[in-house]
Amino acid sequence: DVKVTQSSRYLVKRTGEKVFLECVQDMDHENMFWYRQDPGLGLRLIYFSYDVKMKEKGDIPEGYSVSREKKERFSLILESASTNQTSMYLCASSLFGELYEQYFGPGTRLTVT
Amino acid sequence: AQSVAQPEDQVNVAEGNPLTVKCTYSVSGNPYLFWYVQYPNRGLQFLLKYITGDNLVKGSYGFEAEFNKSQTSFHLKKPSALVSDSALYFCAVRGIGAGKSTFGDGTTLTVKP
Repeated sequence: DVKVTQSSRYLVKRTGEKVFLECVQDMDHENMFWYRQDPGLGLRLIYFSYDVKMKEKGDIPEGYSVSREKKERFSLILESASTNQTSMYLCASSLFGELYEQYFGPGTRLTVT
Repeated sequence: AQSVAQPEDQVNVAEGNPLTVKCTYSVSGNPYLFWYVQYPNRGLQFLLKYITGDNLVKGSYGFEAEFNKSQTSFHLKKPSALVSDSALYFCAVRGIGAGKSTFGDGTTLTVKP
């Protein structure tokens, strides 16, 4: 079974702090994704990556950056956390190509105070 | 551009009755369509997908979905609902050559005993 793990289930940070969210997958997937999930807004794509050191902006990249130095690891960085970034963050991975489904991690609930 | 609509925020059914969760999509060319489920306090899980071929797709936990090209729909169905089916369901679409999937806003299914 594919396993996608995220570094924290719950995280509380202060406004202005730099925040790192880590994601690791164990199935040698090429693609990795970061989403945020908010009630009534579904899943919105922040960034995705289809290879090491490659990244593409999603629908809402503002205020975020990402890093992919190894194939299995994809990090989401909030350079200066703000209260409107309080949300559930979901990481996912998939094989390369349009017809493959995504496998999701358990999510990190981030609260910025 | 690709898009997905899940017209119902909430669907309520009685246990043992058939259920339908609706999804319509818009994409250039042929679509790849996916359904995911999110049980309370858990990450998203892949349920089923349509790539090509038979319009009726069978997936996990007794779910199936019917692809209708003329109506641009991909409704999720189950002949007999269980209380344990209560969850948040997401439809997603990805067009050929698209770098990412687009998710709907989600439909909360509640099955009452």
